Amino acid sequence: TQLLEQSPQFLSIQEGENLTVYCNSSSVFSSLQWYRQEPGEGPVLLVTVVTGGEVKKLKRLTFQFGDARKDSSLHITAAQPGDTGLYLCAGRLGSARQLTFGSGTQLTVLP
Amino acid sequence: EAGVTQSPTHLIKTRGQQVTLRCSPISGHTSVYWYQQALGLGLQFLLWYDEGEERNRGNFPPRFSGRQFPNYSSELNVNALELEDSALYLCASSQGQVNTEAFFGQGTRLTVV
Repeated sequence: TQLLEQSPQFLSIQEGENLTVYCNSSSVFSSLQWYRQEPGEGPVLLVTVVTGGEVKKLKRLTFQFGDARKDSSLHITAAQPGDTGLYLCAGRLGSARQLTFGSGTQLTVLP
Repeated sequence: EAGVTQSPTHLIKTRGQQVTLRCSPISGHTSVYWYQQALGLGLQFLLWYDEGEERNRGNFPPRFSGRQFPNYSSELNVNALELEDSALYLCASSQGQVNTEAFFGQGTRLTVV
């Protein structure tokens, strides 16, 4: 059973379109992080959200943490080919220090 | 400032052999985490070390082990390699406090033949 469900698993869109990736769980997370990973490389941290209802913006990327701290979303505005990659959400359950990862969303932005 | 570094970047081993992977954390980070990213299975938590002690381990057999040195660098050892151990092994480091951010290295690609 996956503790963190990510959707969609695959997403292929045209340059300029908007998209949203979802990360859902039945468990409460003390913090949640979003990463982007290129093939054969390690994940690169994009953002950390800690407070329920928190919204953070990173240029064209908007991250939201659910009020109950059980879900999160990543919205990309006007996607560009450089946004192509594997997007991973990862959370800390309770007092656990290790991250529990979602299965990832493979995003392809076509020029 | 240097990020998390892992060595080697690629490795090919034969089934039954043993392998040691190495990780150097970001300066000032005391916690090191190891993850396995096998094809189609996502990142699975292996081990967490902090201040030289193993603090938690994931659902992996005992042939996966490791240690953390006084300088906070870490090794991951895998004995009796199986074909299913082929994966990208990722190391991450963080500061000692709860909810601090974890930063990953570039990984070691292990292929077992």
